[in-house]
Amino acid sequence: EAGVAQSPRYKIIEKRQSVAFWCNPISGHATLYWYQQILGQGPKLLIQFQNNGVVDDSQLPKDRFSAERLKGVDSTLKIQPAKLEDSAVYLCASSSDRFNEQFFGPGTRLTVL
Amino acid sequence: DQQVKQNSPSLSVQEGRISILNCDYTNSMFDYFLWYKKYPAEGPTFLISISSIKDKNEDGRFTVFLNKSAKHLSLHIVPSQPGDSAVYFCAARDSGGGADGLTFGKGTHLIIQP
Repeated sequence: EAGVAQSPRYKIIEKRQSVAFWCNPISGHATLYWYQQILGQGPKLLIQFQNNGVVDDSQLPKDRFSAERLKGVDSTLKIQPAKLEDSAVYLCASSSDRFNEQFFGPGTRLTVL
Repeated sequence: DQQVKQNSPSLSVQEGRISILNCDYTNSMFDYFLWYKKYPAEGPTFLISISSIKDKNEDGRFTVFLNKSAKHLSLHIVPSQPGDSAVYFCAARDSGGGADGLTFGKGTHLIIQP
């Protein structure tokens, strides 16, 4: 069974630029999560989808971050415009359903200069 | 406000001995706890979990203990092996909170010495 796929693996941008990350969850997984992991910290939940609906986006900085999961499968996370403090690893996770085990992708490491 | 705390950034243990990783939490609504293991350049992988109705869960070399009154849990690895060298994250969930995203600690870097 293929795992959670994320791309790109690494991205370097300058502040005020825009960036987008892509996630392909494990096939059939209804629940998808985006986490932000700043260096030296644990992952922090940004947004949770159940199919193509948002369950929780209370920690998503909505003035600059957006995410969508239009067909209930792949998801994209966008930052526009980026700030220096957005430098982090962005992890995507999926689970077969809510409250089931979450499987993480390898993450996208973003550096904002 | 850090709701899940791992106060030891790193831990060094001799191969074959017991590794004990500690985790404290402040949110009394947490009712499910997990440990994740992370290697460099990879995402976290699930290791073991425990529900708040239990005080111990065991899986092979890994045992998690939960002390609800102290809001404390620990992960025991015995015997420790070189492949156990990784960052270990403690995570918690409030199943009644409407969402099931995890709250993570900062992690403990476990180093197994040969």
